[in-house]
Amino acid sequence: QVQLQQSGAELAKPGSSVKISCKASGYTFTSYYISWIKQTTGQGLEYIGYINTGSGGTNYNEKFKGKATLTVDKSSSTAFMQLSSLTPDDSAVYYCARGGLPGLYWGQGVMVTVSS
Amino acid sequence: DIQMTQSPSFLSASVGDRVTINCKASQNINKYLNWYQQKLGEAPKLLIYNTNNLQTGIPSRFSGSGSGTDYTLTISSLQPEDVATYFCLQHSSRPWTFGGGTKLELK
Repeated sequence: QVQLQQSGAELAKPGSSVKISCKASGYTFTSYYISWIKQTTGQGLEYIGYINTGSGGTNYNEKFKGKATLTVDKSSSTAFMQLSSLTPDDSAVYYCARGGLPGLYWGQGVMVTVSS
Repeated sequence: DIQMTQSPSFLSASVGDRVTINCKASQNINKYLNWYQQKLGEAPKLLIYNTNNLQTGIPSRFSGSGSGTDYTLTISSLQPEDVATYFCLQHSSRPWTFGGGTKLELK
C-alpha cells in the first residue's frame, strides 16, 4: 500500500535550518511528484511547491523561495525539504503529499517548532 | 495568487442535517477545485476532485458543485463521523491556494 512516512518533530532555534524527510513506499517513487504543504493555525494551509522525483526539477510558491529547498534521493525513495533562516513564523506542521497536486496520499505531518 | 474565501468558518449542525460549505475564488477557476476533510491530528483527506468527482471510497452523502468562481460542498445527511474541518483547494493557477477552512461540529 502507498505510504509516505515523514520524519519526527523538530525543535529549532531562530536562524537555524531543519531538513525534514518524506519516505515513500508502495509505488514507483519516480512516477509521481512530491508536494509540500504548510499548515498553521493562523494561516491555514499553504502550498509550498513540488519536486519532480525523476529529474529533481522543482516549482516553488514565490512566498517560499529562499525559505524552502526541495530535494530527492531516488536510491532511498525519499524526498526532503530544508527550511532555512528559521523564524517563529516557520513554526507549523509540514506535510508531504504524492503528486504535484495534493491528492489521495499524504504523509502524517511533521511539527516544526522554532523557539529560542 | 488566487484568493479562496471559504464560508462559514464554523458550522454547528445536527445529525441528519443537510450541510453546505462554500468557496469563492477571486477569479474563474474553471472547476479546478478539490475538497478535503481533516480530522483532528490527521492529514487532510481528499473527498472530491474537480468540483464534483467523488473520490473512491467516499460516502455518497458528500457531493460538490459549482462553476466559475463559486463552489459548494454538500453533506446531504450529516453523520457523527463527519465532524472535521473542511478545506477547498484551487488548482487552476499556481500557486495552488486553499480556503481558510470550515470547522464542522455537532449541535
